[in-house]
Amino acid sequence: ILNVEQSPQSLHVQEGDSTNFTCSFPSSNFYALHWYRWETAKSPEALFVMTLNGDEKKKGRISATLNTKEGYSYLYIKGSQPEDSATYLCAFSYSGNTPLVFGKGTRLSVIA
Amino acid sequence: NAGVTQTPKFRVLKTGQSMTLLCAQDMNHEYMYWYRQDPGMGLRLIHYSVGEGTTAKGEVPDGYNVSRLKKQNFLLGLESAAPSQTSVYFCASSYEGTHYYGYTFGSGTRLTVV
Repeated sequence: ILNVEQSPQSLHVQEGDSTNFTCSFPSSNFYALHWYRWETAKSPEALFVMTLNGDEKKKGRISATLNTKEGYSYLYIKGSQPEDSATYLCAFSYSGNTPLVFGKGTRLSVIA
Repeated sequence: NAGVTQTPKFRVLKTGQSMTLLCAQDMNHEYMYWYRQDPGMGLRLIHYSVGEGTTAKGEVPDGYNVSRLKKQNFLLGLESAAPSQTSVYFCASSYEGTHYYGYTFGSGTRLTVV
């Protein structure tokens, strides 16, 4: 069973702070790395799909980088807002036909 | 624009009862998945399907069966419910594998087995 590790488990930041989380995955047989945002009482929503080493993706104040050779991805949030409070999931696959394996997530709380 | 619809949203079962969870998608997606979410465990794959008429086991398939008779529907069955199956169940679908597109998730089914 593949292991996808996310750290930290939870994080509390003040409004306006910038923050980042880490996702670690097996560096062999990489195919794709996904990031999802999961608000309480809702369903996960896709943020980024990353496939190439060195990929950088950005959506508003949120960005992500990917290093497939060493097996990690970072998610950055610039100037955190209370509405950024959610659990951020990363998920990995090693081929196009195999389903995603999810990490346990990083729970972010932004305090106003 | 419904996306992925799960029914029911909530259910309480007695140990030994059976039930079927329905997942329906209207996006013409080939791939569909059932995950369960338990505290501290993250999302774990139960079964999945890569197309109409196909199913495959995931990480935690025991005690569950699935069927994909129509492309838009993916059913998850519990033949004899056990308290260990108390969980929140999420269905997801994707256009193809995991290369370019993210998964679209349903809103979840909260199941309690007493």
